[in-house]
Amino acid sequence: AQSVTQPDIHITVSEGASLELRCNYSYGATPYLFWYVQSPGQGLQLLLKYFSGDTLVQGIKGFEAEFKRSQSSFNLRKPSVHWSDAAEYFCAVGAGNTGTASKLTFGTGTRLQVTL
Amino acid sequence: GAGVSQTPSNKVTEKGKYVELRCDPISGHTALYWYRQSLGQGPEFLIYFQGTGAADDSGLPNDRFFAVRPEGSVSTLKIQRTERGDSAVYLCASSPSEGDYGYTFGSGTRLTVV
Repeated sequence: AQSVTQPDIHITVSEGASLELRCNYSYGATPYLFWYVQSPGQGLQLLLKYFSGDTLVQGIKGFEAEFKRSQSSFNLRKPSVHWSDAAEYFCAVGAGNTGTASKLTFGTGTRLQVTL
Repeated sequence: GAGVSQTPSNKVTEKGKYVELRCDPISGHTALYWYRQSLGQGPEFLIYFQGTGAADDSGLPNDRFFAVRPEGSVSTLKIQRTERGDSAVYLCASSPSEGDYGYTFGSGTRLTVV
């Protein structure tokens, strides 16, 4: 069974500083990997996804993530954080192209606080 | 519609009561998912529909939970004999087809069982 670990429950960064949110996954085959953001009272919004190919993927809002198979990681990065980035971030893994339900397994999330 | 709509946005019910939560997916999306998000946790998969049929209900916690999608569009999640542990945000998502991870999530229904 697949699983996702987000080791940091809460991170605080200053506006303009760089950001890295950690994500480790467990899955036997090539996973499909995702990062979502959730603002208070809002639904989950997809930031980026990795299916195959280039291991550095670009997403919306200036975010990027790098898939490292050897470390089973898919860390999310942003060079310069804006106050509006304060939210909850979730990493998720899908079972890949099995031809069946594309259900996701989520991590427990990392809450990002941005100080001015 | 333009997005995934979930109603009600908030529901408070007494322990032991029956509740229904509604999800209106994006028009034309054949795949529909229900997830449950407890406080401080990530969303957990409950059930998946492809068209009218429940293709995977392995995430439903017990037989008090049931979901339907009779016409392949709107879905209703039904919870019988609610318990305080059922309190959570119930999220619905739809995607264009089976195997397509291009989810769009709704804003969720916050269920509180008192």
